[in-house]
Amino acid sequence: AQSVTQLDSQVPVFEEAPVELRCNYSSSVSVYLFWYVQYPNQGLQLLLKYLSGSTLVKGINGFEAEFNKSQTSFHLRKPSVHISDTAEYFCAVSVTGNKLVFGAGTILRVKS
Amino acid sequence: DAGVTQSPTHLIKTRGQQVTLRCSPKSGHDTVSWYQQALGQGPQFIFQYYEEEERQRGNFPDRFSGHQFPNYSSELNVNALLLGDSALYLCASSLAFAVPGELFFGEGSRLTVL
Repeated sequence: AQSVTQLDSQVPVFEEAPVELRCNYSSSVSVYLFWYVQYPNQGLQLLLKYLSGSTLVKGINGFEAEFNKSQTSFHLRKPSVHISDTAEYFCAVSVTGNKLVFGAGTILRVKS
Repeated sequence: DAGVTQSPTHLIKTRGQQVTLRCSPKSGHDTVSWYQQALGQGPQFIFQYYEEEERQRGNFPDRFSGHQFPNYSSELNVNALLLGDSALYLCASSLAFAVPGELFFGEGSRLTVL
């Protein structure tokens, strides 16, 4: 079975500062990795995904993530955050494709 | 292009009652998945429907059942409601043979069980 651990439940950061949201996963087989974002009172939206190939993947809104197989991590980063990035971010893994196992989420609070 | 639409957006039930939630997938999508998101937690996979059949199921009891119609829309039914069923229920649509994990989510149906 697969599992996902998001190491921080909340991350406060000032506007224009860099941010990293941490994600570790556990799986005995190869997985696909994803980050989704959930803005208040909205559904989840795909930020980026790692399927294979380059371990650095770029997504929407200036976010990127790096797959580290040896550390079983898939941390999300953004060099300069905006107020509009305030949301909850979910890391997820999948073996079969469309059945996702999500972490508990990290709330990113961007302060002015 | 209409995205994933869910109804109702909010509802309140009492223990023991039954509830039906509805989902219309994004235009062109043929697969519907349902997730339960309890307060403060990540979404948990309930089941997935494709070609009107349940294809995969998560660790949920038989009180949770579903259906997919020929137009690809779907229903989630929960019988004998428990307080612990209170959650946001998310519907996600996708294409069966598209990029893995590329799901489009609706805004959810928030169920409160009293």
